[in-house]
Amino acid sequence: AQSVAQPEDQVNVAEGNPLTVKCTYSVSGNPYLFWYVQYPNRGLQFLLKYITGDNLVKGSYGFEAEFNKSQTSFHLKKPSALVSDSALYFCAVRDQRIGGNMLTFGGGTRLMVKP
Amino acid sequence: NAGVMQNPRHLVRRRGQEARLRCSPMKGHSHVYWYRQLPEEGLKFMVYLQKENIIDESGMPKERFSAEFPKEGPSILRIQQVVRGDSAAYFCASSPRQGKGETQYFGPGTRLLVL
Repeated sequence: AQSVAQPEDQVNVAEGNPLTVKCTYSVSGNPYLFWYVQYPNRGLQFLLKYITGDNLVKGSYGFEAEFNKSQTSFHLKKPSALVSDSALYFCAVRDQRIGGNMLTFGGGTRLMVKP
Repeated sequence: NAGVMQNPRHLVRRRGQEARLRCSPMKGHSHVYWYRQLPEEGLKFMVYLQKENIIDESGMPKERFSAEFPKEGPSILRIQQVVRGDSAAYFCASSPRQGKGETQYFGPGTRLLVL
């Protein structure tokens, strides 16, 4: 079985400061990992994914995420937060070998960036 | 290239009525996924379809819910005899290929309210 945990319901950060949104995962084999962002009353927008290769993945809007196999984590980061980054962020996982093609999502983390 | 389209965006039904949700995947995408999002929760997988085939329906409730993706036209998620617990946002996603590393691109969702 595959699962994702986002331990923080909400993250507050001041504009211009670095931000981190945490994600840990559990899969039987090796993971494919994804980050999505959801703005109010909108669908999910793809930010970035880890498939293989470099542990540091760069994505849209200046976001990046670091895959850490030993800690089974895939934290989302941005060096300098913008007020417009305020949204709901979802981490998702898919086992590379076992199970179907569905994504398993975490419960989401609400990011609040204050001016 | 238009994104994933869903309609209606909002749907209100009374208990016992039927709800039909439509999803048109991105151009060139032949793989469709349906997810359900309850308030303040992450997305939960429901069903995965290719043209004219249901590939994985492990997340579908056993009764009242069905899905199809005909050769021509959009994918349809059908909920018969709706109950208040069906109130949720229903998201469709599509991908061009089957591989587990493929990104799923999401539509804006249909928000179903059952009175």
